[in-house]
Amino acid sequence: ILNVEQSPQSLHVQEGDSTNFTCSFPSSNFYALHWYRWETAKSPEALFVMTLNGDEKKKGRISATLNTKEGYSYLYIKGSQPEDSATYLCACLDSGSRLTFGEGTQLTVNP
Amino acid sequence: NAGVTQTPKFRILKIGQSMTLQCTQDMNHNYMYWYRQDPGMGLKLIYYSVGAGITDKGEVPNGYNVSRSTTEDFPLRLELAAPSQTSVYFCASSYSPAFQEGYTFGSGTRLTVV
Repeated sequence: ILNVEQSPQSLHVQEGDSTNFTCSFPSSNFYALHWYRWETAKSPEALFVMTLNGDEKKKGRISATLNTKEGYSYLYIKGSQPEDSATYLCACLDSGSRLTFGEGTQLTVNP
Repeated sequence: NAGVTQTPKFRILKIGQSMTLQCTQDMNHNYMYWYRQDPGMGLKLIYYSVGAGITDKGEVPNGYNVSRSTTEDFPLRLELAAPSQTSVYFCASSYSPAFQEGYTFGSGTRLTVV
């Protein structure tokens, strides 16, 4: 089981701000990195799955990067909107098909 | 497409009772997982399966059992429920764990043990 850490634990930003979160993981036994968005009272929804060092993925105003050599990934949100308020989870997949989640970054976007 | 279906949505158990949490997916996914989410904590892996007939322990398997007799179903059994098993349980499935679509999660089962 990998140790996946996310920072910060929580974040409050104003509408229109751009923000980013960090996910760190052990670079050994790495197979893939997942990002999920989890709204209150709903189920986690997949944002990105990345496997290669240097991968960058984008979906609308949200993007993510991956550095497998140093063991970190960044999630960026450009021009935050109140509907972006959610908990953002990252998870690391090991070679044994186990996906280990971090504890998440709770984002609140104030109008 | 129903996706991942979990039943029941809510349940209250007395200490020492047993129950089965049901999980069914209709996407022909080989990989299925059970997670629990405790208040203020992330998702902890209980058990997972890479295909019918194959199951393996995750991070927190004690007090639980699973079976995978078909591709569609992955029930989680609680024997002798304890207050420490009060949690929200999520089932998830995937075509492949590194597949770009990620995991599909069920809506969760909120279990309280009193």
